[in-house]
Amino acid sequence: AQKITQTQPGMFVQEKEAVTLDCTYDTSDPSYGLFWYKQPSSGEMIFLIYQGSYDQQNATEGRYSLNFQKARKSANLVISASQLGDSAMYFCAMREGGYQKVTFGTGTKLQVIP
Amino acid sequence: GAVVSQHPSRVICKSGTSVKIECRSLDFQATTMFWYRQFPKQSLMLMATSNEGSKATYEQGVEKDKFLINHASLTLSTLTVTSAHPEDSSFYICSAAGGHEQYFGPGTRLTVT
Repeated sequence: AQKITQTQPGMFVQEKEAVTLDCTYDTSDPSYGLFWYKQPSSGEMIFLIYQGSYDQQNATEGRYSLNFQKARKSANLVISASQLGDSAMYFCAMREGGYQKVTFGTGTKLQVIP
Repeated sequence: GAVVSQHPSRVICKSGTSVKIECRSLDFQATTMFWYRQFPKQSLMLMATSNEGSKATYEQGVEKDKFLINHASLTLSTLTVTSAHPEDSSFYICSAAGGHEQYFGPGTRLTVT
């Protein structure tokens, strides 16, 4: 079974609008961490935001926020006020328990339209 | 955030030759580094976990004799693709674990002709 599922292969958003990228995960470990990364066409992986399974509040980093719904096992990324530079691939990822290795979803390609 | 470098950024080699890719953590010591491979329009697939001073742990389906990993110091891990073939052409990315984050290198694009 897929540990990380991103059901949106591609998304379009108008500049200055908000967009939500979906991510669901599957784990039986009570301790885990969820990540979102941005990968522009250059290929580098840019860390955006992190949510720990025991964190009480949703993580926020500037224009990025993570809508963490633990019971539903979802960790959607919300980008507010989209900019043209936000056009990229976005990957949701998870680290389980004490393991350091991270499992990635299949990614969502976001295109911001002027 | 922490900086991880990779060298080279791009390499073209002939089929049958070996290629070495370096991954360095520039401002912190990384006891654990990870090597990923990414084919075009696909996700990152973990190849192996590189542990300083010990043997790497390979993911299922990854040939350890083909993808040699050496983690000789706390700041350097190397991946050597031996006897490369065109199907090994891919984007190889390393990362270093630091706290709850993973810091990624900029990647190496390998093309085998």
